Amino acid sequence: EPEVTQTPSHQVTQMGQEVILRCVPISNHLYFYWYRQILGQKVEFLVSFYNNEISEKSEIFDDQFSVERPDGSNFTLKIRSTKLEDSAMYFCASSAGQNHYGYTFGSGTRLTVV
Amino acid sequence: AQSVAQPEDQVNVAEGNPLTVKCTYSVSGNPYLFWYVQYPNRGLQFLLKYITGDNLVKGSYGFEAEFNKSQTSFHLKKPSALVSDSALYFCAVRDPSGGSYIPTFGRGTSLIVHP
Repeated sequence: EPEVTQTPSHQVTQMGQEVILRCVPISNHLYFYWYRQILGQKVEFLVSFYNNEISEKSEIFDDQFSVERPDGSNFTLKIRSTKLEDSAMYFCASSAGQNHYGYTFGSGTRLTVV
Repeated sequence: AQSVAQPEDQVNVAEGNPLTVKCTYSVSGNPYLFWYVQYPNRGLQFLLKYITGDNLVKGSYGFEAEFNKSQTSFHLKKPSALVSDSALYFCAVRDPSGGSYIPTFGRGTSLIVHP
């Protein structure tokens, strides 16, 4: 069964540092997403990406965040200057369509900002 | 605005007994509803969805969910729980008339099935 792959599984970074979280979506999917879950809280939408541009983003996704699909397979989330409150589990997901398709999620990257 | 609530942080059930994981939603129109499951150290896996049609939806691993419009609920059920069903379950809702294609997820409910 095809999987969404995320690396690293756990990253510790110092406050103010830049981090890049990486994802390899399912190869024939067209829509890509980043979500995050702060411990004990809801799974929150960050951004969706289609046809090499952002299609939707939440208020969480401010200027500190950016996404990129640098080649035909990777999808990255960059946090420019991390804050303590960025500590969370970050999930990448992909889907074949966007209307009522289920998403396939990766296993997540646990980001700890110290 | 669309929102979803999972009122129970944890559900405990004995193996072989029926299980229910609760979900209620709020949308302005007719909802699209989803359930996902997350096993330890894995990503969320799609279980089932309700878009339209029969209120009882069957999904993976023997799970089903019943859409109840009057109660704005979409509870996940299974007639006979297995220890291997122990996982974190997420409900999600999307309002197709809301202009966004992005579903809103709940906080998750931890299901623990005891042998």
